[in-house]
Amino acid sequence: QITLKESGPTLVKPTQTLTLTCTFSGFSLSTSGVGVGWIRQPPGKALEWLALIYWDDDERYSPSLKSRLTITKDTSKNQVVLTMTNMDPVDTGTYYCVQNSAEVYYDGMGVWGQGTTVTVSS
Amino acid sequence: SYELTQPPSVSVSPGQTARITCSGDALPKVYSYWYQQKPGQAPVLVMYKDSERPSGIPDRFSGSSSGTTVTLTISGVQAEDEADYYCQSTDSSITYLYVFGTGTKVTVL
Repeated sequence: QITLKESGPTLVKPTQTLTLTCTFSGFSLSTSGVGVGWIRQPPGKALEWLALIYWDDDERYSPSLKSRLTITKDTSKNQVVLTMTNMDPVDTGTYYCVQNSAEVYYDGMGVWGQGTTVTVSS
Repeated sequence: SYELTQPPSVSVSPGQTARITCSGDALPKVYSYWYQQKPGQAPVLVMYKDSERPSGIPDRFSGSSSGTTVTLTISGVQAEDEADYYCQSTDSSITYLYVFGTGTKVTVL
């Protein structure tokens, strides 16, 4: 069974850097075709894809947020970390960790974490 | 930037058919995906590669593609199908990126 779980601060101040960790089980991020990424959702709004890192260390970022995002992986710990700099109240929302397996669902996000809520406020 | 456009809302009576559209210029060239999100829950993949259903998704859910529009159809809608639905695709015009649609609220009357 594949599971992903997000962890990190629930409250950050404007201009601070957010660091979120996705800890997963049931698969390896060294397996060809596998990626782990992040998607966020402001309250009452649509989903927004942020970033994804693949088994071969390829990193992809949302063009609108690329300058603020960094995604890294630690295969031995089964973790993926997302950092977002210069946080602003508009970054408030639920942040989801997702698994993409090209072999199973091609470009679809087949498994989602439960999400973690982040509030940006002074 | 690449955009996927969905109608904000669709209303349907129980037992009827709901059709949710998603429009985007690149859709003739790339696959589409659909997610169902119920209040307070994480999204769930209900359709992939335009018309394939993940295991565990009821067969009343189906997908189709025609030109720049893809459609998620729910036949014989049930009360439990009331949710937000999002399409997703990729933008391969420059670099490989993922894009979500604007979302559609399906209300079962």
